[in-house]
Amino acid sequence: GEDVEQSLFLSVREGDSSVINCTYTDSSSTYLYWYKQEPGAGLQLLTYIFSNMDMKQDQRLTVLLNKKDKHLSLRIADTQTGDSAIYFCAEKEDSGYALNFGKGTSLLVTP
Amino acid sequence: DGGITQSPKYLFRKEGQNVTLSCEQNLNHDAMYWYRQDPGQGLRLIYYSQIVNDFQKGDIAEGYSVSREKKESFPLTVTSAQKNPTAFYLCASSIGTEANYGYTFGSGTRLTVV
Repeated sequence: GEDVEQSLFLSVREGDSSVINCTYTDSSSTYLYWYKQEPGAGLQLLTYIFSNMDMKQDQRLTVLLNKKDKHLSLRIADTQTGDSAIYFCAEKEDSGYALNFGKGTSLLVTP
Repeated sequence: DGGITQSPKYLFRKEGQNVTLSCEQNLNHDAMYWYRQDPGQGLRLIYYSQIVNDFQKGDIAEGYSVSREKKESFPLTVTSAQKNPTAFYLCASSIGTEANYGYTFGSGTRLTVV
């Protein structure tokens, strides 16, 4: 499938904002997702955004989409130690049947 | 509560054995998926099924087999032909056949070859 790229690690201090970035190569990507995975667990859907949107906000989470640059970001406000996890970006074409995932960004929140 | 259940949580396989990983959902979801997760590799699609009695190969189907005899169940068999089966296996399901609203994941099965 097409590539979805993420940086591998991010470390932030508790109370700061975290920004996790993702780029994708497929211009047909219509649906974009952010998932969270805690150690030894499955993935939990945090939020998704359609390609006709620029921004979506849900409590502490803000998703920004720059379709021209094929860039997606997830901002977590007031990051807590419980936010430490791996965050996956994923995309799907309108005509596709399965999600294509990035390799995940490990977020470490330090006190 | 509705959800998707994978069992067992941990599984050990000897060289040359076939093993079957269970995935059951009571969400009335149409489509089901199997992914393999390796450290630093992200998730790779093994198989998916949009309707009962039909399934499609994903990117890394070699050495694996599936069945979809019931809407609720999508078991994955790791055969002896899979040369490097040690990994974390994740099952997922989605509303509709095109997963536009994303997946619900199970909690995973960790398979280790001994």
